[in-house]
Amino acid sequence: AQKITQTQPGMFVQEKEAVTLDCTYDTSDQSYGLFWYKQPSSGEMIFLIYQGSYDEQNATEGRYSLNFQKARKSANLVISASQLGDSAMYFCAMREGNQFYFGTGTSLTVIP
Amino acid sequence: NAGVTQTPKFQVLKTGQSMTLQCAQDMNHEYMSWYRQDPGMGLRLIHYSVGAGITDQGEVPNGYNVSRSTTEDFPLRLLSAAPSQTSVYFCASSYARLETQYFGPGTRLLVL
Repeated sequence: AQKITQTQPGMFVQEKEAVTLDCTYDTSDQSYGLFWYKQPSSGEMIFLIYQGSYDEQNATEGRYSLNFQKARKSANLVISASQLGDSAMYFCAMREGNQFYFGTGTSLTVIP
Repeated sequence: NAGVTQTPKFQVLKTGQSMTLQCAQDMNHEYMSWYRQDPGMGLRLIHYSVGAGITDQGEVPNGYNVSRSTTEDFPLRLLSAAPSQTSVYFCASSYARLETQYFGPGTRLLVL
C-alpha cells in the first residue's frame, strides 16, 4: 500500500485565489511527521511546512497552512492568495520511524 | 553556512562504471539521507544515517552503498552503474529524526 497518496496530478488556480492540495497517508505509528515541499522548475526541494502527529493545532507558515485531520489520515496543504511564483510541483511526505516517504506530487499552475 | 552541498551537479557514466556522489553538510545534523527522483514517482529513500558510523537501508537500496565516517559527509557509491540508475539524486539532512529535512541541489546522473 502507498504510504503517501496525492490524487491530483495537476491543479490550476487563479492568481490571488486559495488552493488546496490533497494528501492522505497510511501509518500505524502513533508518532510521525508530515511535511510539504515545493519543487520549482529549477529542481531544488524547498521545505514549506511541518505537522507533528501530536500537534493539536494545524501548522501555519505565512500563506501556507496544513489542514491536519488525524482520524481521516489527511494532511492537505492550503495556499492562500496564490502568486505566480507558486507555480511548481508540491510533494507531501511523511516520516515514519527513520524512514521517509514521499507522494508522487501535484503540479500547480497559477493563472494570471 | 553552506547548508547541504552535493557534487557533481551532473554526471554521465557508462554501464558498469563506478562512481561516488558526494554530500556534505555544515549544520551538525545527525540525520542524513539519499533519495532518487524519477519521473512520476516522487522521491524514494535509498539509504540513511542517524549518526556517524550508523547507516541503514531505505526503500530502494539495491545497487548503492553508503558509509558515514564523519558527521559532515555522507557519500553514495554506485559500484557498477546500470541504466536503471539514471535519475536525479538528492541528499538531505536534519538535526534529528523528526525534524525538517533540508535538501541539497541534486545530482543528475545519466547511465548509458
